[in-house]
Amino acid sequence: LAKTTQPISMDSYEGQEVNITCSHNNIATNDYITWYQQFPSQGPRFIIQGYKTKVTNEVASLFIPADRKSSTLSLPRVSLSDTAVYYCLVGDAWGGGGKLIFGQGTELSVKP
Amino acid sequence: NAGVTQTPKFRILKIGQSMTLQCTQDMNHNYMYWYRQDPGMGLKLIYYSVGAGITDKGEVPNGYNVSRSTTEDFPLRLELAAPSQTSVYFCASSYSTGGEQYFGPGTRLTVT
Repeated sequence: LAKTTQPISMDSYEGQEVNITCSHNNIATNDYITWYQQFPSQGPRFIIQGYKTKVTNEVASLFIPADRKSSTLSLPRVSLSDTAVYYCLVGDAWGGGGKLIFGQGTELSVKP
Repeated sequence: NAGVTQTPKFRILKIGQSMTLQCTQDMNHNYMYWYRQDPGMGLKLIYYSVGAGITDKGEVPNGYNVSRSTTEDFPLRLELAAPSQTSVYFCASSYSTGGEQYFGPGTRLTVT
């Protein structure tokens, strides 16, 4: 199972773009990269998932370079409500029963 | 759809007692998971299931047992509770092995 490394914390201001980078040097061929968001006292919530290059949805973009050893979650124009912990996960998409490793996550604090 | 529901929301156990944490999903997902989250830490996978009648261990299975007799239900059993099992427990489900996981609201358990 590939292990991930991400910054423990980040600060930002409302309206800024935030980029959170995750390192996963041992990513395997079958692994997908998934990001979750967690607010205090709640379960994690899916943000975005990708395999390579770039994926965009209504809330975020995910950039994955060709070697796939890292990925960057981009949150455009953050607001106070984006203050949360963000987890990067790497897991086998076709086997392993969906076993995922949650690291410590990145605690994002958005200030007014 | 209610999604993933967990009961109880809170529970205090004495050392050596046993209890079952209930988890039910109404999305007809084959994959279900149990995680624990200690304060300030990421989630750790306890057990998971790829379908009714099939379960397997995650990272931290010791002290826990699971069963999966139906697609909807995935109870987690704690035998002989210990203070080290004080944590927040999250149940999740997904349609596919690497797909988006939907989390329940969590059960906050204290063992004293």
